[in-house]
Amino acid sequence: QSALTQPASVSGSPGQSITISCTGTSSDIGGYHYVSWYQQHPGKAPKLIIYDVGKRPSGVSNRFSASKSDNTASLTISGLQAEDEADYYCNSYSNSSSWVFGGGTKVTVL
Amino acid sequence: EVQLVQSGAEVKKPGESLKISCKASGYSFTSYWIGWVRQVPGKGLEWMGIIYPDDSEIRYSPSFQGQVTISADTSVNTAYLQWSSLKASDSAIYYCARSGGYCRGGRCYSSGYLQYWGQGTLVAVAS
Repeated sequence: QSALTQPASVSGSPGQSITISCTGTSSDIGGYHYVSWYQQHPGKAPKLIIYDVGKRPSGVSNRFSASKSDNTASLTISGLQAEDEADYYCNSYSNSSSWVFGGGTKVTVL
Repeated sequence: EVQLVQSGAEVKKPGESLKISCKASGYSFTSYWIGWVRQVPGKGLEWMGIIYPDDSEIRYSPSFQGQVTISADTSVNTAYLQWSSLKASDSAIYYCARSGGYCRGGRCYSSGYLQYWGQGTLVAVAS
């Protein structure tokens, strides 16, 4: 069971939009509608920002949106703000009856 | 308010056993799956396994199957993660988190997303 593939880093200027990809296989992302995304600031526990591919928990900014196509899921942050600088992880159900995280993407606000 | 409070940091020697805890409050403990996630400092998140406290069904990641034991005690609303023989490579921060999902036929199933997180437990293993 391999980790999902994310870019190591993505950067953008305040106000811009950025997209983080998360690539898996037909055994995980491509096969199920159970993709979630997490934001983690240094020294803090992760925070759920997207679940079931594109749903936002209550209280999460609508600047965060997500989708998936075939074996790749994507998280878009629009109107980038300084507080969005953090690590982001995708997660998907896998046909091994468990779940798998991506390797994580560090978002830098320039 | 949903809260998951984890036990404190541990310093252990290789070969020792350890059991860390995650006490839940603010919701029906038996109705939601609880997952465990490992994070080596400076590294990414690793999904370890998940338990349904109502009947103790457990699903382990293949990477952690046989390496750790996940359990739950519904009398004290607490989930556990334990090792019988620690290795230096087990040094990490361990998080518990409540999973969301759906219920059908009187039973609840996890969609895998982890909505509420504990504060993490740092485990250091060194001789």
